[in-house]
Amino acid sequence: DTGVSQNPRHKITKRGQNVTFRCDPISEHNRLYWYRQTLGQGPEFLTYFQNEAQLEKSRLLSDRFSAERPKGSFSTLEIQRTEQGDSAMYLCASSANRVGQGNTGELFFGEGSRLTVL
Amino acid sequence: QQQVKQSPQSLIVQKGGISIINCAYENTAFDYFPWYQQFPGKGPALLIAIRPDVSEKKEGRFTISFNKSAKQFSLHIMDSQPGDSATYFCAASNNAGNNRKLIWGLGTSLAVNP
Repeated sequence: DTGVSQNPRHKITKRGQNVTFRCDPISEHNRLYWYRQTLGQGPEFLTYFQNEAQLEKSRLLSDRFSAERPKGSFSTLEIQRTEQGDSAMYLCASSANRVGQGNTGELFFGEGSRLTVL
Repeated sequence: QQQVKQSPQSLIVQKGGISIINCAYENTAFDYFPWYQQFPGKGPALLIAIRPDVSEKKEGRFTISFNKSAKQFSLHIMDSQPGDSATYFCAASNNAGNNRKLIWGLGTSLAVNP
């Protein structure tokens, strides 16, 4: 297993365009998280999936943002009508769920997708 | 409202010295405290983590000290090396709703001079 994979690694787009990021988690990890990180800040939670179910969404996730994980494997994060304030690193992480013990909290992160909105 | 407060914001240490980063939390329901290391252009990587049933955990040159009553925990890097230069984040989570959503500190930029 090569770890969590994200693409594209970098995306430059003009304001108003739509962008989509993809995340391939570690195989057999059934939990998948999206975080956003801006320069000099820690990651901010956006949303979380257990298998294909999106169980929680942050208030940071406006209606221009949508995330899916249709088959419980890879996930996509789409941003519609991008704004300059959307410029950030979008991080995906996955973790395993130990049935009966709850999640250990050990998140494994990808290298992120950096978005620049001009 | 920041639930995990991290200090210092930046730290410069000489090679071979001890790097110490501190974090304080507010939510007594937190029961998992990881430290992540992040190099420029990379995602955060788990370094070491502790649960509140122990006061210290050591892995190689990295040690977490945990003070439950003070709601504080710290990372100590012994014999700091230039390769340790990175940004370090403390975080915390609890099992509420079975969602291990991490609450992060703002990070400490560590520079180890050769």
